[in-house]
Amino acid sequence: QKEVEQNSGPLSVPEGAIASLNCTYSDRVSQSFFWYRQYSGKSPELIMSIYSNGDKEDGRFTAQLNKASQYVSLLIRDSQPSDSATYLCAVNRGNFGNEKLTFGTGTRLTIIP
Amino acid sequence: KAGVTQTPRYLIKTRGQQVTLSCSPISGHRSVSWYQQTPGQGLQFLFEYFSETQRNKGNFPGRFSGRQFSNSRSEMNVSTLELGDSALYLCASSGQGALTQYFGPGTRLLVL
Repeated sequence: QKEVEQNSGPLSVPEGAIASLNCTYSDRVSQSFFWYRQYSGKSPELIMSIYSNGDKEDGRFTAQLNKASQYVSLLIRDSQPSDSATYLCAVNRGNFGNEKLTFGTGTRLTIIP
Repeated sequence: KAGVTQTPRYLIKTRGQQVTLSCSPISGHRSVSWYQQTPGQGLQFLFEYFSETQRNKGNFPGRFSGRQFSNSRSEMNVSTLELGDSALYLCASSGQGALTQYFGPGTRLLVL
């Protein structure tokens, strides 16, 4: 079992709709969760971080965390063509001194105009 | 605040050579992590440095090494290059007590 699993996609969503990206992780002691966006040929860019169960909203983005189910998701509302990218879920144990991030393989999202 | 910078951005080497990549973290950040990204394996953790000390290490052979200087700048070195070392090498920095990592633009290495 991979430590962090994501559906590789591609996920196609019409412009203006909600894109839903999912991620599961295997290490129960994981405490910190991150979503990065990566455009083709570019480096990952931080979108959201979440540490507590529940929802965290930032503009059109909402991260959801359920530690009991070991599940984290990212919702993108009012999807725009500029949201087309690969979205990487990353997890770490959350304790200072252990900065290793474990990444999923990413979900490729395409927003259809 | 300036972001993470990496040099060089592109590099072509031949098998058996060695290469050194450089990373300058965001000002004030003392933790620098290195990752390798390939189409087949995705993003994989290489190592992390804090205050000139390697704190964490991933599952890479000893050909991959790194160091950090007193100004928090970091270098990674790959000796005896293999074709499979062709990848995007990413550096990320984080501030003290913070877990969020910010990535540089990466160095794209091609080994022929």
